[in-house]
Amino acid sequence: NAGVMQNPRHLVRRRGQEARLRCSPMKGHSHVYWYRQLPEEGLKFMVYLQKENIIDESGMPKERFSAEFPKEGPSILRIQQVVRGDSAAYFCASTPAGQGSPNEKLFFGSGTQLSVL
Amino acid sequence: AQKVTQAQTEISVVEKEDVTLDCVYETRDTTYYLFWYKQPPSGELVFLIRRNSFDEQNEISGRYSWNFQKSTSSFNFTITASQVVDSAVYFCALRSGGSYIPTFGRGTSLIVHP
Repeated sequence: NAGVMQNPRHLVRRRGQEARLRCSPMKGHSHVYWYRQLPEEGLKFMVYLQKENIIDESGMPKERFSAEFPKEGPSILRIQQVVRGDSAAYFCASTPAGQGSPNEKLFFGSGTQLSVL
Repeated sequence: AQKVTQAQTEISVVEKEDVTLDCVYETRDTTYYLFWYKQPPSGELVFLIRRNSFDEQNEISGRYSWNFQKSTSSFNFTITASQVVDSAVYFCALRSGGSYIPTFGRGTSLIVHP
């Protein structure tokens, strides 16, 4: 049973370019979280999605950032016109189908390290 | 609002030493869930334990043990007889009953020297 798959593992972009990060949740999981990890700051919540629905995007910057989780295919975190401050590790996590019971543990991917030159 | 504080940024020990990682949480909910995750150098966070607010019983799993104290809002993690393979970043997380969003602490980097 494959775990949470994130790609690419490393992504290098120049300032002003677009970054697209992909996340395929575990089989049977229909809830996806995106977190950003910066040194000394730990994991910061960005967005929580169900298939075809954004549940909570309170942690995501209003400008340049967007996320989707279509009916078919992976969840995508998209960063437009990247800046150096966007350099970080971005982690995706999934939980099983249903209402996402509060006691459900998260299954994490290996992350995408975004470097903006 | 919910908050998790891991005051220890980095801990360095020698193999076979015992080490305790501290976690202090804040929440207004009476129902909540606490977690510990391990992030090895490979990057992927791995679930270690889950505790709900109604179960203050401490837990032991091999060399790992967890001490949950509601009176001090703490959920500390102890590794007994540490090993080099325990070297990782450890995250404490809180999920309040009314929220779907787990809040993570800053993480504690544990370095175990041979």
